Amino acid sequence: SAVISQKPSRDICQRGTSLTIQCQVDSQVTMMFWYRQQPGQSLTLIATANQGSEATYESGFVIDKFPISRPNLTFSTLTVSNMSPEDSSIYLCSGGQSMNTEAFFGQGTRLTVV
Amino acid sequence: GESVGLHLPTLSVQEGDNSIINCAYSNSASDYFIWYKQESGKGPQFIIDIRSNMDKRQGQRVTVLLNKTVKHLSLQIAATQPGDSAVYFCAENIPGTALIFGKGTTLSVSS
Repeated sequence: SAVISQKPSRDICQRGTSLTIQCQVDSQVTMMFWYRQQPGQSLTLIATANQGSEATYESGFVIDKFPISRPNLTFSTLTVSNMSPEDSSIYLCSGGQSMNTEAFFGQGTRLTVV
Repeated sequence: GESVGLHLPTLSVQEGDNSIINCAYSNSASDYFIWYKQESGKGPQFIIDIRSNMDKRQGQRVTVLLNKTVKHLSLQIAATQPGDSAVYFCAENIPGTALIFGKGTTLSVSS
C-alpha cells in the first residue's frame, strides 16, 4: 500500500485568490488522481495527473481553473484558481499502480472560500 | 442482518448484527470494483476489491458479491462493530479510466 499525505489539511481563503494543494506519496506510483468531494456527497474525478505532461481533465473541469503539476512519480499539486464560494469542498489526492488496481487516498484538503 | 435497498443513503444496525450495503453500478464494461470506507474527516480507505471474473470475494469480516447480470455489487460486514460506522462507497473501473464512485451509504452502528 501507499501512504499519501496532503498539505494543507484545511484552509479558509478569500474569493479571487488561488490555493495550491500538495500531494506526496511515500513510494512511486504510476497513476495519480485528483477528486473533489462536496460535503455529504460522493467523489467526483477532476483529473488524472500525468508525469511530465499535461493532466487529463474530466468533463466540467478545465486546466485554467485547476492547473495540475506532476514532476515525478511521488508528487503532484492541484491549484484551485480564482476561487469562489462554489469551490468550497474537500479535495482529495489518490495514487495507484494502474487504472484498474486499488487506489489509495490522502486525508483530503478541506477548502472554504469566503 | 439488515438489507439496504438500492439508493438508500443510510443503514442503522445494532452491534453484532450483519450489515449488507448495496450498490448498483452503471456501466456493463466495468471490470473492477472496490469498496471504500470513509470516516469523518478522513480520506476513503480501501476495504476490498473484486474483478469481474469473480462473483464473490472474502476478507476479514467482509464479503463482496458481484452480480454482473443486474450490475449489482454488495458489501457484507459480519458482526458489525461501532468502529464500522462510516460512509461506504462502491467504485467501478472501466478499463483505461479512473475509478468512478457511487453515491455512498452511511452505516450507523449502535451499541
